[in-house]
Amino acid sequence: DSGVTQTPKHLITATGQRVTLRCSPRSGDLSVYWYQQSLDQGLQFLIQYYNGEERAKGNILERFSAQQFPDLHSELNLSSLELGDSALYFCASSVGQDPDIQYFGAGTRLSVL
Amino acid sequence: AQSVTQLGSHVSVSEGALVLLRCNYSSSVPPYLFWYVQYPNQGLQLLLKYTTGATLVKGINGFEAEFKKSETSFHLTKPSAHMSDAAEYFCAVSRQEAAGNKLTFGGGTRVLVKP
Repeated sequence: DSGVTQTPKHLITATGQRVTLRCSPRSGDLSVYWYQQSLDQGLQFLIQYYNGEERAKGNILERFSAQQFPDLHSELNLSSLELGDSALYFCASSVGQDPDIQYFGAGTRLSVL
Repeated sequence: AQSVTQLGSHVSVSEGALVLLRCNYSSSVPPYLFWYVQYPNQGLQLLLKYTTGATLVKGINGFEAEFKKSETSFHLTKPSAHMSDAAEYFCAVSRQEAAGNKLTFGGGTRVLVKP
């Protein structure tokens, strides 16, 4: 158990809908990261938050947004969903904002039908 | 920009045989290098990391990796494969950047262990 909690584990929804994925980092970790894992794109970095502030941005679509709350949990919002958004979404956390070990949650599997 | 290439998307080894997974990276600055393992329906678990110092890094479950700057490689090895090593392995690179810390992953290598 990495100590990173993601909910829900599975999500099935329809095209055009909006969903929210939630992540609770390890106790004491200030950075939260979001990654997308799909068969065609592999594991791709989406975004990093550090202590409530956006720190780095990767290949995140404009339809996607994230935030980190004062209690350090994070949410990833996906809107106007398309079939191609079906993927495994991972959250990871680390102590600081510098290169260091990232601890991964078990992921949320999103299926868009 | 940084990138990671893992040679071989699938590797099949016999139980007890050497496991060798290849990883090459490109980075314009000294990299931080990681190997993660993903078991079916689970998240990624860190096997080992290289930041600075000794180039031979030992990790969990008997795995080790050697950082070779001249070859821009960070290959993962285990002397004797066990059935429980069947999983997908990812090499990743990170570096100190002005804006944040992201992991760039290779495409992954799925390991099959034959009895």
